[in-house]
Amino acid sequence: GEDVEQSLFLSVREGDSSVINCTYTDSSSTYLYWYKQEPGAGLQLLTYIFSNMDMKQDQRLTVLLNKKDKHLSLRIADTQTGDSAIYFCANLKGDSWGKFQFGAGTQVVVTP
Amino acid sequence: NAGVTQTPKFRILKIGQSMTLQCTQDMNHNYMYWYRQDPGMGLKLIYYSVGAGITDKGEVPNGYNVSRSTTEDFPLRLELAAPSQTSVYFCASSSGQSGSGELFFGEGSRLTVL
Repeated sequence: GEDVEQSLFLSVREGDSSVINCTYTDSSSTYLYWYKQEPGAGLQLLTYIFSNMDMKQDQRLTVLLNKKDKHLSLRIADTQTGDSAIYFCANLKGDSWGKFQFGAGTQVVVTP
Repeated sequence: NAGVTQTPKFRILKIGQSMTLQCTQDMNHNYMYWYRQDPGMGLKLIYYSVGAGITDKGEVPNGYNVSRSTTEDFPLRLELAAPSQTSVYFCASSSGQSGSGELFFGEGSRLTVL
């Protein structure tokens, strides 16, 4: 399988919470990231977590990291229509600085 | 505040033609990258550079070449374009180990080879 895997599609109602999941294989990953891509644009960093942390909260965003299971999740509280985008999970390989692995991206569609 | 600038945004090539995608950054970042994005496939690394004069292959380098003569510029050259190179190309840069490794992306170049 791929080094970083995530589901391809998520539909959520406005105001609900969204949870996007990601699994990775590289146990030496140092940083793990969530990027957001809006239509016709490049990726922008949403948040990141260092590998020695379990959780990170940033306003409406909560990142959970389970190192044992190599599982990363992104929760968006009170999802808004402006949150409709593709969300990419990525990790920084621990054995070679500067090499990142990206998932295929999760298309999130927020419905009114 | 320019960040990472890529040109052109769109291009159509015929099979066998060559072209260069330009990328420049004004953040004095040492690390620069070229990725391609195909539907449902995420980002694949083509080439990267850790500083001027140094380049290295990524996962999918065949059919491409790069150079890094200055810190700011990292052009990607396509020789003998093939339909398999139809994709969206992203240039990115990073400050590397001095920070979290955050990648700053350009807006992308959509290339179609017919």
